[in-house]
Amino acid sequence: QSVLTQPPSVSGAPGQRVTISCTGSSSNIGAGYDVHWYQLLPGRAPQLLIYGNRYRPSGVPDRVSGSKSGTSASLAITGLQAEDEADYYCQSYDSSLSGPVFGTGTKVTVL
Amino acid sequence: EVQLVESGGGLVQPGGSLRLSCAASGFSFNDYGMNWVRQAPGQGLEWVSYISGNSRTATYYADSVRGRFTISRDSAKNSLYLQMDSLRAEDTALYYCARTAHVGNWFDPWGQGTLVTVSS
Repeated sequence: QSVLTQPPSVSGAPGQRVTISCTGSSSNIGAGYDVHWYQLLPGRAPQLLIYGNRYRPSGVPDRVSGSKSGTSASLAITGLQAEDEADYYCQSYDSSLSGPVFGTGTKVTVL
Repeated sequence: EVQLVESGGGLVQPGGSLRLSCAASGFSFNDYGMNWVRQAPGQGLEWVSYISGNSRTATYYADSVRGRFTISRDSAKNSLYLQMDSLRAEDTALYYCARTAHVGNWFDPWGQGTLVTVSS
């Protein structure tokens, strides 16, 4: 159902760097629509991590970064911490569906 | 503090109806577009519906709910609503309300969600 594809899971030891890919197509990311990223923790409201491909809202640490190229985008987390263990989703807009679309979601595990 | 609080979820039989509410505070509610986004158990996020702000009240729906769900807002009460009719088992999910940014299509903030279970 999701039109944006993410790896189901990624993991890393504390202090390491992990990246999450978000692959779309010519009707969404490839069409120039921005990509945004969210962190989901159980029992908590989803939190915006990155907007407009690479911008961080206030309060999000600078060890979180985003990028976009072609039909894909990436989220990187450096200096991995236990508190980063969560589900992460990318989001964009799809012109064929005429609405916002989310990625399949990635679970980050801190080893 | 900008805050969104959902309510109205519960257990409903297939074919039944439910009305969700989202109380907004800490910002000028009428100035922003608002959304409903859902997450079925063990599944990913799915955008459900959008309503524009500034009294224009344009509405949009995902194909999966169009014709069954109706989004609305009451600026006097700073509240967003989702009327859900002809509910199906596949509508079972945690329903979040979320604000759309002024200058982009990202969602911020979100509420904590209200759980809807459709089962006999």
